[in-house]
Parts: sequence; C-alpha cells; structure tokens
Amino acid sequence: GENVEQHPSTLSVQEGDSAVIKCTYSDSASNYFPWYKQELGKGPQLIIDIRSNVGEKKDQRIAVTLNKTAKHFSLHITETQPEDSAVYFCAAKRTGRRALTFGSGTRLQVQP
Amino acid sequence: GAGVSQSPSNKVTEKGKDVELRCDPISGHTALYWYRQSLGQGLEFLIYFQGNSAPDKSGLPSDRFSAERTGGSVSTLTIQRTQQEDSAVYLCASSLDLSTDTQYFGPGTRLTVL
Repeated sequence: GENVEQHPSTLSVQEGDSAVIKCTYSDSASNYFPWYKQELGKGPQLIIDIRSNVGEKKDQRIAVTLNKTAKHFSLHITETQPEDSAVYFCAAKRTGRRALTFGSGTRLQVQP
Repeated sequence: GAGVSQSPSNKVTEKGKDVELRCDPISGHTALYWYRQSLGQGLEFLIYFQGNSAPDKSGLPSDRFSAERTGGSVSTLTIQRTQQEDSAVYLCASSLDLSTDTQYFGPGTRLTVL
C-alpha cells in the first residue's frame, strides 16, 4: 500500500519568512495530494490540494508543487504570520482507493 | 453551511467499557470516513461508507471496533471493551460522493480510556 513520509517534524520560522514542508510517497499510481492544517483541539482543515496532472498550484500565500518523477510534493507558505502556527499534514490517494494516506505531520511555529 | 459534526467532543471512560462516537456528515455527502489520530501521530484510516453500500472495514484494528450508518447519513463508531491503547482522537470526514477525492473533517472526539 501507500506510504507517505513527511519532514521536517517541527519547523520554526520568523514572522514574514517562508516555510517549506516536504512529503514523499511510494505509490506511483497516487494522483491526489491534499494538505491539511490542524489547530490545537480542532479537526484537520483542507488548505490546498493538487492533482497529478498539475505541477504547481497557488492560493494567495500558499502553494503546492508536485514532482511525479521523484514522487514528492511540497507545501510553500510565504510571508508567514503567527496564525499560520499549527500542525500541517500531507496526504496521498489514488483513484479507486477510498482512504487518504497521511504523513506524520509538521508542527510549524511562527515566531512574532 | 454546516460542516461535519461529531459528538461528544470529549469522552473519558474506564477500561472494559463500551463507547459510542457519533458523526453527522455534511448534508448531501454520501461518502463517510472514520480515522484515528493517536497522540503526535498522523491519521490512520478505520472504515469507509458509501451511501447504503457495505462498508470498507479494512482499517479496523480489531473486532472490538464496529461502525454503522443509518439512513445513509449519521454514523456511529462503537468500541467494545475499551483498552488504554484505544485512547486517541477519532475523526470523521465526508466527501460528496465516491468519485470526489476531497474529504472534509469534523472536529473529532477525544477518547481517553483510564
């Protein structure tokens, strides 16, 4: 089955700096890659997703890139703000498979 | 509109007791998923429902875990004879239908087994 590895496990940046979180996946048939943000005591919130027919997707300060050949994808957050502090999870899924396979999460702390 | 709701938000129980966790998916969503999140870990798939079809139980960790979905909407996850290792946050998600990949999560139920 699918295996998703995520790093780093923790990331501390200064407000205004950029943050990058990376994930690799094992199943070359995976074609859907969402990113979730989870704040303390809350459920994961979808922030951006990308499909395998696209190499990059942006939404304001966040962007996701996908390298199908290398089987890795990354989340980029620019101009970080204290409210970006949370745990971020990547996930992967292929058509026909019901469940998302999640990475182990990255705790991002933005220092004011 | 209303998102996925779960109840209770917190549940503390004694080892050996049975617990029931409830999930109410987004209105109109036919697919429903249960995941488990242990402390400091990623999310682990438990079970999946699509409409009134037989569920995909491939992720259930033991036969003490079961789930049902009544009327194609609300779902209940039942854990019998709870063990301390069952302590975790249980998350429910829903998606529009079988062909839709995007899953929306509820706030979770934090289960503590003493």
